[in-house]
Amino acid sequence: DGGITQSPKYLFRKEGQNVTLSCEQNLNHDAMYWYRQDPGQGLRLIYYSQIVNDFQKGDIAEGYSVSREKKESFPLTVTSAQKNPTAFYLCASRTGGGTGEQYFGPGTRLTVT
Amino acid sequence: AQSVTQLGSHVSVSEGALVLLRCNYSSSVPPYLFWYVQYPNQGLQLLLKYTSAATLVKGINGFEAEFKKSETSFHLTKPSAHMSDAAEYFCAVSDQGFGNEKLTFGTGTRLTIIP
Repeated sequence: DGGITQSPKYLFRKEGQNVTLSCEQNLNHDAMYWYRQDPGQGLRLIYYSQIVNDFQKGDIAEGYSVSREKKESFPLTVTSAQKNPTAFYLCASRTGGGTGEQYFGPGTRLTVT
Repeated sequence: AQSVTQLGSHVSVSEGALVLLRCNYSSSVPPYLFWYVQYPNQGLQLLLKYTSAATLVKGINGFEAEFKKSETSFHLTKPSAHMSDAAEYFCAVSDQGFGNEKLTFGTGTRLTIIP
């Protein structure tokens, strides 16, 4: 089955620690995205990547970092510089060209205390 | 820059009643428009999309949406609500002028179904 996997589903960390969220897709999609979701605020774009070894900042990139070494993988690191990291994080992917629809993974809920 | 407005952060309807979720967009060029559904603690699932073919678009789970250029709207409807429709719904727009690189999402509408 083709799809997007995110692991783990729930993640707990202490304040001051960096944490990396995994996102893998086997859809052969070119573009991948990371969003943050907070109650009542919809989805906010953190980073996105159109091709391997290239990525762009989204609207709220501060305190986050990404890499895109493989087409299938787009990990997100939440650094200690992110002031309010507790949130639901969603990864998505999109085929090149096309009409722009994105396909989403199941999400990772990160809690930092 | 494009934007999306969803009127009503919470909508409640009785089981069997009409569901109407509102979405208005602004875009400098003809947009592609999407509706997504999200169940608790899950990712978003694509319900339907408008890509400049038919203005009335049918999606999964009995939902449909009509693109009205004159009103810059793309409202989502379902004739008869089912308990399983309870979820959060997001409208999104993709700007063809920028190669559809990014989606802009509305803030979502939480749909509650009253038994």
